[in-house]
Amino acid sequence: GQQLNQSPQSMFIQEGEDVSMNCTSSSIFNTWLWYKQDPGEGPVLLIALYKAGELTSNGRLTAQFGITRKDSFLNISASIPSDVGIYFCAGGAGNNRKLIWGLGTSLAVNP
Amino acid sequence: GAVVSQHPSRVICKSGTSVKIECRSLDFQATTMFWYRQFPKQSLMLMATSNEGSKATYEQGVEKDKFLINHASLTLSTLTVTSAHPEDSSFYICSARDQGAGTEAFFGQGTRLTVV
Repeated sequence: GQQLNQSPQSMFIQEGEDVSMNCTSSSIFNTWLWYKQDPGEGPVLLIALYKAGELTSNGRLTAQFGITRKDSFLNISASIPSDVGIYFCAGGAGNNRKLIWGLGTSLAVNP
Repeated sequence: GAVVSQHPSRVICKSGTSVKIECRSLDFQATTMFWYRQFPKQSLMLMATSNEGSKATYEQGVEKDKFLINHASLTLSTLTVTSAHPEDSSFYICSARDQGAGTEAFFGQGTRLTVV
């Protein structure tokens, strides 16, 4: 099925560094969602974006809905060890439509 | 955020038996729930969309007779893996949408199925 292009695939950083990851699509989405998944758990919603150009923060996390509606990025500032996990983007085309998922970005933080 | 409870979190079953996984929305009503399968270090693969009061919509390549989905109420959907085989061993995750809210979906904790 359709998937989003998410990059980077993995990152290994030092504690305190900032992190940036992004997703791109050939299709337009009405919604961009960012999730974090810990091992053996279901994904947890971090940020939901609904308008082109929207910039939303959740603590140290900031995400933006690209103006073309075909991309989104997620930034994490001042990373800490508990930021370790896999981050997924997902695009939504409407309330009754399924989400399209990125392949994930695996983040490792060295204390 | 909204809470979705999935049960059981882990199950081990013998080949040929059936396993039922429950997905409940605890504090909202969900007309639509989704069932995913996830292989190690991979993204979520949508198996089917579960619609309350109607038949589920299965993704291409997913056997509807093997993965039975029932969405009998606005807060409960079940996935039954019938005649399980070792290749069905995987991590199964459900998600649900609040019918009164937006596009975001909230996930259960996942079920680790091992077929021996």
